[in-house]
Amino acid sequence: DAGITQSPRHKVTETGTPVTLRCHQTENHRYMYWYRQDPGHGLRLIHYSYGVKDTDKGEVSDGYSVSRSKTEDFLLTLESATSSQTSVYFCAITGDSSYGYTFGSGTRLTVV
Amino acid sequence: DAKTTQPPSMDCAEGRAANLPCNHSTISGNEYVYWYRQIHSQGPQYIIHGLKNNETNEMASLIITEDRKSSTLILPHATLRDTAVYYCIVRVAVSSGSARQLTFGSGTQLTVLP
Repeated sequence: DAGITQSPRHKVTETGTPVTLRCHQTENHRYMYWYRQDPGHGLRLIHYSYGVKDTDKGEVSDGYSVSRSKTEDFLLTLESATSSQTSVYFCAITGDSSYGYTFGSGTRLTVV
Repeated sequence: DAKTTQPPSMDCAEGRAANLPCNHSTISGNEYVYWYRQIHSQGPQYIIHGLKNNETNEMASLIITEDRKSSTLILPHATLRDTAVYYCIVRVAVSSGSARQLTFGSGTQLTVLP
């Protein structure tokens, strides 16, 4: 959707390497989220942010870290990628007066 | 947030109305019903939400029973492009709460048949 972009769209990386995914928004929304989606598990929350430098863990946060140094950017880092982190990653945003969430187009990550 | 129950799959003929049910018998008074859908390989898309009154927008209608224990999402004239997984989510208003997380269940795979 307009207003939120994820990069890269696709990435293949080797086990043990660090990987950073970026979510960028132009809506000035306060809240940002990282989800992963796997067959049989649906969408699961990894980490979220409720403001600059304010982040917290979701249900599947092990092996992931996040940073939010600016309102518009929310970074997801896999410090040492593992094959179990092969997934599609979605970023989402919402604001104080928003009723719904806006999701990005996703990043397909393959760890070999 | 209240738990929801949806059928895993449904079919609908193109041009007909698609009625997607959702049970949420443990819903609290301040919880809304939200519907999202996810077309294959895309991010989820917000459709509609409601508290207790029926709601309609350009995409769909939402019918909530008087006791609020179930609801139905209606796509009035389904097209092939409406084939997607539809998620019913119950939670307090997105505009409140410390984290405003959305918890997705398994959803209903709607297949619109030509």
